[in-house]
Amino acid sequence: ELKVEQNPLFLSMQEGKNYTIYCNYSTTSDRLYWYRQDPGKSLESLFVLLSNGAVKQEGRLMASLDTKARLSTLHITAAVHDLSATYFCAVAKETSGSRLTFGEGTQLTVNP
Amino acid sequence: GAGVSQSPRYKVAKRGQDVALRCDPISGHVSLFWYQQALGQGPEFLTYFQNEAQLDKSGLPSDRFFAERPEGSVSTLKIQRTQQEDSAVYLCASSPYRVLAGVGAKNIQYFGAGTRLSVL
Repeated sequence: ELKVEQNPLFLSMQEGKNYTIYCNYSTTSDRLYWYRQDPGKSLESLFVLLSNGAVKQEGRLMASLDTKARLSTLHITAAVHDLSATYFCAVAKETSGSRLTFGEGTQLTVNP
Repeated sequence: GAGVSQSPRYKVAKRGQDVALRCDPISGHVSLFWYQQALGQGPEFLTYFQNEAQLDKSGLPSDRFFAERPEGSVSTLKIQRTQQEDSAVYLCASSPYRVLAGVGAKNIQYFGAGTRLSVL
């Protein structure tokens, strides 16, 4: 059974600081996704990582994938208040169709 | 519309009542998914359609849950004889990709805002 674990589950940080969210998964996967969710809103796709060593960056967020360690990281650089949200990682396996298995989410609060 | 649309946004049901939740996917999207998100948790897979065919319903928690997509576009998730443990946000997602599109395909799923179901 594919399991996905994120840590930390709650993160409170000051504006301007850097931090990393970790996502571990239990079996090999074909794709890893990062999504953002604001309260009462839909999940917004941030990154799709397909291969070992993949790195994607968008603004202050950078995601990477290490398939050998079954680990993905989401690094936040110089956080700003607008980044406050819940971040989910999710994995998919071809043999399971396209179903996504999600982590519990990391609730990020960026304080002024 | 430009995105995935779900209705109603909120639904309050008395225990034992039947409910129907609607999902309008992005036009032309082949694949449609339903997920259940309990408070403070990540979404959990319920079922998947490719066009009108329900290819995977392994995540449906009981036979009280039923989903359909008769014309390969709009989908309805029906819950019969609702129980308190059914209270959750039900998310719908669509994707332009087919199953087994290939390992290199991104297969991004686009989510709706969800229906929050409260069973009293």
